[in-house]
Amino acid sequence: DVKVTQSSRYLVKRTGEKVFLECVQDMDHENMFWYRQDPGLGLRLIYFSYDVKMKEKGDIPEGYSVSREKKERFSLILESASTNQTSMYLCASTTQGRQTQYFGPGTRLLVL
Amino acid sequence: ILNVEQSPQSLHVQEGDSTNFTCSFPSSNFYALHWYRWETAKSPEALFVMTLNGDEKKKGRISATLNTKEGYSYLYIKGSQPEDSATYLCASSRDSNYQLIWGAGTKLIIKP
Repeated sequence: DVKVTQSSRYLVKRTGEKVFLECVQDMDHENMFWYRQDPGLGLRLIYFSYDVKMKEKGDIPEGYSVSREKKERFSLILESASTNQTSMYLCASTTQGRQTQYFGPGTRLLVL
Repeated sequence: ILNVEQSPQSLHVQEGDSTNFTCSFPSSNFYALHWYRWETAKSPEALFVMTLNGDEKKKGRISATLNTKEGYSYLYIKGSQPEDSATYLCASSRDSNYQLIWGAGTKLIIKP
């Protein structure tokens, strides 16, 4: 079974803090994604990566950056957290040529 | 339709009853339609992926149909059970790349 893990289930941070969310997958998938999910909205893509050290902006990259130094790990970075970044963050991965995505359990981030 | 829309937003169903809900998606340049189930405190899990007009998929008591010409898919649950309580997400893609366009989900609550 594919396993995608995220570093935290819940996080509380203060405005202005630097926040790291980490995601690890164990199936050697090439593609990894970061989404945020807010009430009443579909999952919105923040960034994705199709290879080590490669990244592409999604629909809402502002205020975020990413890092993919190893194939299995994709990190989302909030350089200076703001209250409007309070959300559920989901990481997903998929292999080349397939669209079905495998998700982590999510990190619920609260920025005060 | 430019976005993926799901209805209803939420649904309360008596245990044992059957139910269905809808996903509408852009029909132009359609590639695939995905259904996921997201239980509370768990990872979203893929249920079905469908590509051809008229496709029908079934997994136990859950089935789905696809109409690509008019841009909609139905998800059916027969004889609802408490374990069916979850948010059901659909997502469409317009070509073979990795990006999915997500609906906001239908939250299904099964009343014992």
